Amino acid sequence: GENVEQHPSTLSVQEGDSAVIKCTYSDSASNYFPWYKQELGKRPQLIIDIRSNVGEKKDQRIAVTLNKTAKHFSLHITETQPEDSAVYFCAADTGGFKTIFGAGTRLFVKA
Amino acid sequence: NAGVMQNPRHLVRRRGQEARLRCSPMKGHSHVYWYRQLPEEGLKFMVYLQKENIIDESGMPKERFSAEFPKEGPSILRIQQVVRGDSAAYFCASSPPGQWSYEQYFGPGTRLTVT
Repeated sequence: GENVEQHPSTLSVQEGDSAVIKCTYSDSASNYFPWYKQELGKRPQLIIDIRSNVGEKKDQRIAVTLNKTAKHFSLHITETQPEDSAVYFCAADTGGFKTIFGAGTRLFVKA
Repeated sequence: NAGVMQNPRHLVRRRGQEARLRCSPMKGHSHVYWYRQLPEEGLKFMVYLQKENIIDESGMPKERFSAEFPKEGPSILRIQQVVRGDSAAYFCASSPPGQWSYEQYFGPGTRLTVT
């Protein structure tokens, strides 16, 4: 079945450094790739998304890249801040409205 | 425009009781999804519903779990004869109608504890 693998499971960076989280997906029909941030005890919230007709998208300190051939996509956070500390989930959606989530990456930004 | 609402926020049930979780989607949204999140784990898809229709329930256990999204009122996730392993956070999300996939807006979740 559909599967989304996410790495690393835990990531610790120094404030100001960059953080990169990578995901691979198995269903080549996937065409929408959102990223969600979940703070402790809170709901997941969308931070950025990308569709299969685009290779890269940037929003301030956050960027996402997509390689359809290799079936992988990545989240890049630059100039990390302590408030970026959270769990980040990637997801893949085939357009059939079933979204498969990765297992999550726990990001720690040390001040 | 109110966001996705879920109630109750916390629910404690004894083993064998029933749990009913409610989700009101955002105004104008016709798609509802339910996810389960175990502590320290990711979001597991359970079911996707539109009004009066279950579109995909492939992630939902075949026994004891059911979901509905009636023409009027909230979507309900029902767990019968709860067991300790059902303890988790249950999130619902909604999205607007359309052919392209859209962002899913999550509710605050219901934290179910089975004692």
